[in-house]
Amino acid sequence: TQLLEQSPQFLSIQEGENLTVYCNSSSVFSSLQWYRQEPGEGPVLLVTVVTGGEVKKLKRLTFQFGDARKDSSLHITAAQPGDTGLYLCAGVRIQGAQKLVFGQGTRLTINP
Amino acid sequence: EAGVVQSPRYKIIEKKQPVAFWCNPISGHNTLYWYRQNLGQGPELLIRYENEEAVDDSQLPKDRFSAERLKGVDSTLKIQPAELGDSAVYLCASSIYRGGYTFGSGTRLTVV
Repeated sequence: TQLLEQSPQFLSIQEGENLTVYCNSSSVFSSLQWYRQEPGEGPVLLVTVVTGGEVKKLKRLTFQFGDARKDSSLHITAAQPGDTGLYLCAGVRIQGAQKLVFGQGTRLTINP
Repeated sequence: EAGVVQSPRYKIIEKKQPVAFWCNPISGHNTLYWYRQNLGQGPELLIRYENEEAVDDSQLPKDRFSAERLKGVDSTLKIQPAELGDSAVYLCASSIYRGGYTFGSGTRLTVV
């Protein structure tokens, strides 16, 4: 079983639409990160959230950390073809080994 | 500033052959990670180094995998002998204490 469950796993939408990707767990995390990965490249860090309820914005991307620090969401407004990629959430659990664990990713395709 | 550099980018080998991957982290990053990413999945940690010490190698299949980080800078990950199931992308990342991770572009290994 995956410690971090992302949904949906695949999403294909038209340019200009809005979308939300979810990252859920039954564990509590000290921090959660979101990465974007393009084919043939390593993941690139987009944001880190550390406080329950925290909201961070990066241009058209809005990231939220759940109040209980068990889940996070990524919302994209007016998606563009350049947003296409694999979006990964990753977190460090409060209890257990202090290592970054990743979700399985959401593959996002924005069609022109 | 150069990012995390990995080589080679691609490697195709026959099963039972040895293979090695090399990583040069960002200067000043004391923590180095090796991750394995299977197709359609998020990365999974193999080993984490703090300077030259391996502080978490619980996920490293020690019967065939080995790693070293001499002088706390560059690192090498070796597989001997390789199996078909080892086909994956091997990612190296580095970070400073509690900082975000910077990933290299990865080595795509195909075992035939």
